[in-house]
This record gives sequence, C-alpha cells and structure tokens, in this order.
Amino acid sequence: EDQVTQSPEALRLQEGESSSLNCSYTVSGLRGLFWYRQDPGKGPEFLFTLYSAGEEKEKERLKATLTKKESFLHITAPKPEDSATYLCAVLSPQSGYSTLTFGKGTMLLVSP
Amino acid sequence: EAQVTQNPRYLITVTGKKLTVTCSQNMNHEYMSWYRQDPGLGLRQIYYSMNVEVTDKGDVPEGYKVSRKEKRNFPLILESPSPNQTSLYFCASSTHRAEQDTQYFGPGTRLTVL
Repeated sequence: EDQVTQSPEALRLQEGESSSLNCSYTVSGLRGLFWYRQDPGKGPEFLFTLYSAGEEKEKERLKATLTKKESFLHITAPKPEDSATYLCAVLSPQSGYSTLTFGKGTMLLVSP
Repeated sequence: EAQVTQNPRYLITVTGKKLTVTCSQNMNHEYMSWYRQDPGLGLRQIYYSMNVEVTDKGDVPEGYKVSRKEKRNFPLILESPSPNQTSLYFCASSTHRAEQDTQYFGPGTRLTVL
C-alpha cells in the first residue's frame, strides 16, 4: 500500500526565514509526485509535479526537489501570504494510476 | 478560464434526505474524481471515473453513488445521508495521460448532515 508522510505537521517561520518541508513516500512505482497549496476551506491549488529522481521545479519563492524516497519543498524568504497548508501526493500503479495518495499536510504560518 | 466548478458550495441537510453535489469541468478531461477531507484524516478518494460511463470505487465509497453520463459532469449522490458524511468534498479532474496527469481541484462543498 502506498504511503505518504509529511513533516513537520506544522511550521512557524518569521518573514524572510527560509526553510524546507519534507514528503517521504513509499510506493510500488512512482508515476508522479505532486505538491499542492491549500488555504482554509478552499480547494487544493496545484504547485508542482515531479516525475523522476533528480528533478527540480521552481515557482517564485518555492522550489520542489525529488529523490527516490522523498521530496522537499524549499521556501526561500517566505512572506505572510505563503501561509497555508502544503500537501504532497503520489500517483502510482496502485488502482491503475487513478488514485492520488495524499499526505496529511504541513501547516505553514509565516509571521511578519 | 479553465476550471472545475462545484455546486452547492455549502449545504446543511438532515439524515436520510437524498442530495446531489454537482461537479463540472471545462478542460475536456477524461478523468474525474471525488474526495472528502476530514480533520486528521486528510484527503481520501470516494469514487473516480476514467471516462464517460466508466466509474470505480476509491478508498471510501460506502454511502455514495456517482454517474458519468457526459464528459464534463460527474455528480456525487448521497441517497440517504448520515451524520458521518459531514465533511468537505472536492471534485478533481485531469487528462490521465502520462506526464500530463496533474489533478485540478474544485473549490469544495462543505456538507453538514444533522
């Protein structure tokens, strides 16, 4: 069974204080790893998809990286508007590539 | 604008009163899915559809039905809602082609069953 574990569960940063969120996964064959941002009561907003170990993608202050066992979401010089829950999910051969298995998320709070 | 829409956004109902939550996407996606999100449990898949007239169960299908008569629509039906179905529901869609299979989510429907 696919498993996704995110750490830490919650993270509080000062504005400008860079940090990283971790997503560890166990899957039978990774087809893709996805990062989403979710604001309270809203739908997950797509950030990145990573398909192979060594791949990196960037968007503004965010950078996602992938190894064979985990992914990191690096946040450089965060701003208060980056406060949200960040979700990691994997797509694998389980259920014929039809099911995203999600971690429980990291709740990020950036204080001014 | 490419988007997934859900209606209603908020719904309060009583036990046993049948309801339908609609989901529509304008991206011509083959794949659509329903998730529920509960505190401490994260997002869990209820049902999914690979294409018109093709549906299958996800991880938590009990108490739910779906249909896929048109490519753009994927309604979620609760024939006899119970309080344990109080949750935040999300519809998602994607192309389901390798390396183009990012799932895009709707805004959510908050359901309360009394």
